[in-house]
Parts: sequence; structure tokens; C-alpha cells
Amino acid sequence: GQQVMQIPQYQHVQEGEDFTTYCNSSTTLSNIQWYKQRPGGHPVFLIQLVKSGEVKKQKRLTFQFGEAKKNSSLHITATQTTDVGTYFCAGPGDSNYQLIWGAGTKLIIKP
Amino acid sequence: GAVVSQHPSRVICKSGTSVKIECRSLDFQATTMFWYRQFPKQSLMLMATSNEGSKATYEQGVEKDKFLINHASLTLSTLTVTSAHPEDSSFYICSARVGTSGRGEQFFGPGTRLTVL
Repeated sequence: GQQVMQIPQYQHVQEGEDFTTYCNSSTTLSNIQWYKQRPGGHPVFLIQLVKSGEVKKQKRLTFQFGEAKKNSSLHITATQTTDVGTYFCAGPGDSNYQLIWGAGTKLIIKP
Repeated sequence: GAVVSQHPSRVICKSGTSVKIECRSLDFQATTMFWYRQFPKQSLMLMATSNEGSKATYEQGVEKDKFLINHASLTLSTLTVTSAHPEDSSFYICSARVGTSGRGEQFFGPGTRLTVL
């Protein structure tokens, strides 16, 4: 069945360093969504990308949707402690009535 | 990896009927499961936290008599939308948490699209 792979599972960075997480779908996606979940919290919707090759920015966060609409990335510039959490991507499933979730990438700031 | 399934993936029902949605953790035991509701292009909204063997904890504004949650085993939680109305039409997603720590990882189901006519 359709899968959304997300890597890496964890990323440890020093505060101020950059962070990137990648999602790859086994099939072409009509759109892809990104969520952030703080430790102990529930996922919060960040953005939805729809167009091929789309790039969107939210302050230090840059979201990209691949030309083939099968991959996406989230890049955070100069991480801060407030960025700590798990970032999930999710895309519509085969039936379009489902969301297929990536496994999430946990951003950890080294002490 | 940990897999969470939901059934059905899509349901269409008439106003006034009840709908049951199942959430299963397939390869792990989940002490805690969560039920979310999502409106288009909006964040997931936590409805309730379901702990195996005890009553669910509902978020403020969520009617517990309308959204019945049962967590009868460590691998199954159900959400029943009673006397459904068109305004209940939404995308319902469950997740299951590994472990008892509040910081345990959550694994999400694929969601159930409910349409009430």
C-alpha cells in the first residue's frame, strides 16, 4: 500500500544550527501537510503544500514540495529551543479519505 | 514500526443515526489512545484521551454523551458518534501512545471521513 517515509527519525543539533526533515511518498500526492508536535502536546498544523515545486516560508521554516509531488522537506534555519518537538508530514491516501502519516522527525537541541 | 489502523476509512450516514469508528494498534499495546477531529486545512483538535480500562477524559467543549469512547483493551478504542448531525461531518483521527509517559511517541491512524446527510 501507499507509504510516506520520513527521515531522519531523530536529529540532534546545537542551538543555532539548521535542521532538515525529509518526506518521500511511494505515490504522487495531491498535497502534503506538515505538523509540529511539542513534547506532551498534540500535533499542530503548520502548512499545506499543493503545487509542484512549491516553496513556502514561515519565518525560519522553509517548506518545499518536489516537482514530481512525491517528496517534501522542512528546513529550519538557526534552530531555537522553541523549535524542539516532532515534525510530521502527512499526505492523502489512495482513497483521498485518509491521511498517510510519516513517522515523524524529532528535533532535539543538545544541551 | 508501530501501526495504527482505523475502520472505516469513510462513512456516510443519515442524520440521527449513530456511527462507530474503531482504532486499533496492530503491533503494540497502547495504554493511551487519543481521538482528534480535523476540519479542512485546520489543525487537529484533541477531543478526548482514552485510557484502557477507565473512562475517557474529554476536552472542554466536547460532549461526552455525544461522542462515546470505549477503550476496552490495550489494542482497541472505539469512538461512537451518537445521533449524528450534519455539523458532525468531519475527519476523525486516532492516535496511540507507546508507554505511559506523557512524552511517549504517538502513532496516528489514517483517519475516518464522516459525512452526515
